[in-house]
Amino acid sequence: QLQLQESGPGLVKPSETLSLTCSVSGGSISSSSFYWGWIRQPPGKGLEWVGNMFYGGTNYYNPSLKSRITISGDTSKNQFSLQLGSVTAADTAMYYCVRRRGDSSQVDYWGQGTLVTVSS
Amino acid sequence: QSALTQPASVSGSPGQSITISCTGTSSDVGNYNYVSWYQQHPGKVPKLVIFDVSKRPSGVSDRFSGSKSGNTASLTISGLQAEDEADYYCNSYTTSSTWMFGGGTKLTV
Repeated sequence: QLQLQESGPGLVKPSETLSLTCSVSGGSISSSSFYWGWIRQPPGKGLEWVGNMFYGGTNYYNPSLKSRITISGDTSKNQFSLQLGSVTAADTAMYYCVRRRGDSSQVDYWGQGTLVTVSS
Repeated sequence: QSALTQPASVSGSPGQSITISCTGTSSDVGNYNYVSWYQQHPGKVPKLVIFDVSKRPSGVSDRFSGSKSGNTASLTISGLQAEDEADYYCNSYTTSSTWMFGGGTKLTV
């Protein structure tokens, strides 16, 4: 059974970089069948797609975040990471790491989510 | 990119059917059969209930069904049950190779 687990600081200061890691067990991030990515949800608000990574291929990011975001993978640890720079209070959210099947619209596995608060 | 348009709320009585719409454009919903729907109970992780417009994952009740017409996708829940009360989000692929969510719909049973 695939499992995803987010980790990282729960508090980030404004203008700094938010860094989160997703550890994957039960499957490989180098699989050619899946995208690995992030979805976030500000408190009390809706879901927002952040970006996807396809190992060895092209990454795709939310245009509203594109200038500040990097998603990368580490196959030696079977992890992928999110870095979001120049954060503001608007980036405060629950961040979920997810797996999406490459041949469909399914986001079939989600991590439990990690709350990141941007505050001084 | 703007969010897909969903009604903020819908309601129904137990046993009834409801439909939640998700309106996009010819650059997203109207151009691909890559629309999915997620159910989220308060404080819980979202759960996939429909993918590729009308396909149901294993284990999801057949009371959930999906469809699409033009730029609008729809989620229908028949035989409403109390446990269906949740927030529902649509998600579509776009011509920019990105994904977009709807604003979410709160279903009250």
